[in-house]
Amino acid sequence: KAGVTQTPRYLIKTRGQQVTLSCSPISGHRSVSWYQQTPGQGLQFLFEYFSETQRNKGNFPGRFSGRQFSNSRSEMNVSTLELGDSALYLCASSPWGTGYNQPQHFGDGTRLSIL
Amino acid sequence: GESVGLHLPTLSVQEGDNSIINCAYSNSASDYFIWYKQESGKGPQFIIDIRSNMDKRQGQRVTVLLNKTVKHLSLQIAATQPGDSAVYFCAETEGLQGAQKLVFGQGTRLTINP
Repeated sequence: KAGVTQTPRYLIKTRGQQVTLSCSPISGHRSVSWYQQTPGQGLQFLFEYFSETQRNKGNFPGRFSGRQFSNSRSEMNVSTLELGDSALYLCASSPWGTGYNQPQHFGDGTRLSIL
Repeated sequence: GESVGLHLPTLSVQEGDNSIINCAYSNSASDYFIWYKQESGKGPQFIIDIRSNMDKRQGQRVTVLLNKTVKHLSLQIAATQPGDSAVYFCAETEGLQGAQKLVFGQGTRLTINP
């Protein structure tokens, strides 16, 4: 079974731009979660989608948004990029979600650098 | 608890020795815990999980111990190998049923000495 696939692997943007990251979950997984990883803050939860609906959201500004499609693939968007948005963005999938005592399986992330 | 800190705790062990990585969690209501391994340039990789109704669970060369009284989790790796070198994260669930999230610890860097 193919793992979680994230594209692109690397992105360089400038302040003020917007960016869209893509995630394809493991086949059959309906829950997709996004995390931001930085050296200073570690791994922080952004949001979770299940059946095209946002089920949970972390403490990030509204510039961070996401969506999920009917095939469970997900995208996240960051608008008006700031230097502090430079991070590794990780996507994780599971069959039904964290609340069902199932491990989330991660992709290798998209490394976003803001100049 | 929430991930914090730029400087990860580091554990150095000799190849072939056993490793014990510790984690303190913050939410006494957490009912599910996971250990992940993250190698350089990769995403976290699932190692083992445990539910709050258990105090021990074993996998291949790994054992997770859960002490709910003191809110402590540990990962034991037997006969460590060079490939075990990585950052290890514990994670706990937090939130209401059906809308839970994973909260990660700060991580521990494990280095294997030949």
